[in-house]
Amino acid sequence: NAGVTQTPKFQVLKTGQSMTLQCAQDMNHNSMYWYRQDPGMGLRLIYYSASEGTTDKGEVPNGYNVSRLNKREFSLRLESAAPSQTSVYFCASSGREEYSKYEQYFGPGTRLTVT
Amino acid sequence: AQKITQTQPGMFVQEKEAVTLDCTYDTSDPSYGLFWYKQPSSGEMIFLIYQGSYDQQNATEGRYSLNFQKARKSANLVISASQLGDSAMYFCAMRRYYTGANSKLTFGKGITLSVRP
Repeated sequence: NAGVTQTPKFQVLKTGQSMTLQCAQDMNHNSMYWYRQDPGMGLRLIYYSASEGTTDKGEVPNGYNVSRLNKREFSLRLESAAPSQTSVYFCASSGREEYSKYEQYFGPGTRLTVT
Repeated sequence: AQKITQTQPGMFVQEKEAVTLDCTYDTSDPSYGLFWYKQPSSGEMIFLIYQGSYDQQNATEGRYSLNFQKARKSANLVISASQLGDSAMYFCAMRRYYTGANSKLTFGKGITLSVRP
């Protein structure tokens, strides 16, 4: 049971290049999330997917696109990378349980540098 | 809108002593959940403890307990008998109980804890 996996772990891009961050979970969770973590800012939600086929914008969606390929996979795409997108990116998933506890399970993160 | 505030500067504690990490929150929702996550230097996010807004008792998980004061909107994490492995960044977070984008976790900026031998 691998939990939440992310690839790649590290990436360096030049300004204007594109790339896709991959995320997969094997816990049969409905909900998946992409966050970015910047020093002194905590984690901020980029995009969210409540279930297969649906996506919603989070707090900082500009410059990103997402695809919920199936229940297991949720990818994040940077079409034209900018230095402001230098960050650590986390994917997370959770079960869909209303009115009850559910924690989010996080992947190991991708450290992205845009030069 | 939901907001989490963690304002303590870097915290230091002697090994085997207890430490309290502060968290205050702001929300107009009557139903919500509060979470604490640990992020060691290796970078992964580790779930520690959860408190529901309607829970009658403070949550406990091993050496972790949550001092929940609803009227004051505070949810402080107490770590008893600190260990060297507790040195990490700690994040407080909250969410509503409803599905959809509004169910997202809102994180505080985190507190760095260093445990001294």
